[in-house]
Amino acid sequence: GAGVSQTPSNKVTEKGKYVELRCDPISGHTALYWYRQSLGQGPEFLIYFQGTGAADDSGLPNDRFFAVRPEGSVSTLKIQRTERGDSAVYLCASSSAGLPYNEQFFGPGTRLTVL
Amino acid sequence: AQSVTQLDSQVPVFEEAPVELRCNYSSSVSVYLFWYVQYPNQGLQLLLKYLSGSTLVKGINGFEAEFNKSQTSFHLRKPSVHISDTAEYFCAVMNRDAGNNRKLIWGLGTSLAVNP
Repeated sequence: GAGVSQTPSNKVTEKGKYVELRCDPISGHTALYWYRQSLGQGPEFLIYFQGTGAADDSGLPNDRFFAVRPEGSVSTLKIQRTERGDSAVYLCASSSAGLPYNEQFFGPGTRLTVL
Repeated sequence: AQSVTQLDSQVPVFEEAPVELRCNYSSSVSVYLFWYVQYPNQGLQLLLKYLSGSTLVKGINGFEAEFNKSQTSFHLRKPSVHISDTAEYFCAVMNRDAGNNRKLIWGLGTSLAVNP
């Protein structure tokens, strides 16, 4: 079956521009996570959706970052007024809900480069 | 809060030699523990996990890890590595008591380079 997909795979933009990054989770997965992986670093949590709502957005670095998941499936991460420090690989993961644990499946990521 | 320390940023090793990648964590709550692998130009893939029970867990590709609660460690081992094991390896933890929020807290990664 299809895994998590992310588009675009690469995005180059200029400082100050607005970008949108898309994540298509595995069908039926209600939980969706965004992480950011800077060069030479481990992934860093950004935001978690359970269904349509952002249940935990404590990892968003500032108010230039925003994410939505209006129908509980596809999610879009939006970055306003991009800065060079936003350059990173943005990872999306999805999992089914339930306790105690369900594996997160990761997409290939979107590499964002801000010039 | 939780944090993860991977003690080696790079580990070079010869093919068929054993390898250990070290991971220590700090947490005020009970955690689940994970190792992920990231092959060049590929996404993250789960290698193995510790949720409960036996402290020695086995994963894919011949890897295993041992949870040591007293030392707060979760080191990854393989008795004989192959060239194809060359990749970035990440240790991660997850709060056991966070309900449905299963966000992962990650280490910085260890780059394993297997040489012929």
